[in-house]
Amino acid sequence: DAGITQSPRYKITETGRQVTLMCHQTWSHSYMFWYRQDLGHGLRLIYYSAAADITDKGEVPDGYVVSRSKTENFPLTLESATRSQTSVYFCATLRSTEAFFGQGTRLTVV
Amino acid sequence: DQQVKQNSPSLSVQEGRISILNCDYTNSMFDYFLWYKKYPAEGPTFLISISSIKDKNEDGRFTVFLNKSAKHLSLHIVPSQPGDSAVYFCAASAQSGGSNYKLTFGKGTLLTVNP
Repeated sequence: DAGITQSPRYKITETGRQVTLMCHQTWSHSYMFWYRQDLGHGLRLIYYSAAADITDKGEVPDGYVVSRSKTENFPLTLESATRSQTSVYFCATLRSTEAFFGQGTRLTVV
Repeated sequence: DQQVKQNSPSLSVQEGRISILNCDYTNSMFDYFLWYKKYPAEGPTFLISISSIKDKNEDGRFTVFLNKSAKHLSLHIVPSQPGDSAVYFCAASAQSGGSNYKLTFGKGTLLTVNP
């Protein structure tokens, strides 16, 4: 039982390119989240989703787009990547009060 | 404005001793607190939590203390083991306010337990 899977694990992209990070859960948790982890900032919420077709902005949404057509998938798209978006990205789901995280995607924008 | 603060970026302790990680919060609406542990190249994993109706919660070697008046919580690990070496994140949510789905995290504290 994989639980929550992120792909790719590592990605290098060029400035200005569009890139999509994938997140898939094998549970049926309603809430899903995208966080980024940066040195000196901890984990910051980018976007979250309460259910399929319901999404909302978190703390740092600029430059990102999300969609959720199916409960189990929550992709995060960087429409035009910038160097400031170099980070480690974590997808998470919520069961009751506890969040479960994926293994992360390390994204480097050059 | 950081609502959850972990003021110590790092902490080093000897194996067998107590590790104390601290966390402060500013939002009085927060009423549920969690600690997550993160190893390199892995996602954070849930460690222990506490509701604001309690002042202590214990799970094996891990104990979390909550001081609501000081808006302060701490995680105690006794005895510390080398495998405890990781980054520890404090997180908070406002359950009674209907925002229990949103966790606000601190910046994390890197704990190193030396053999």
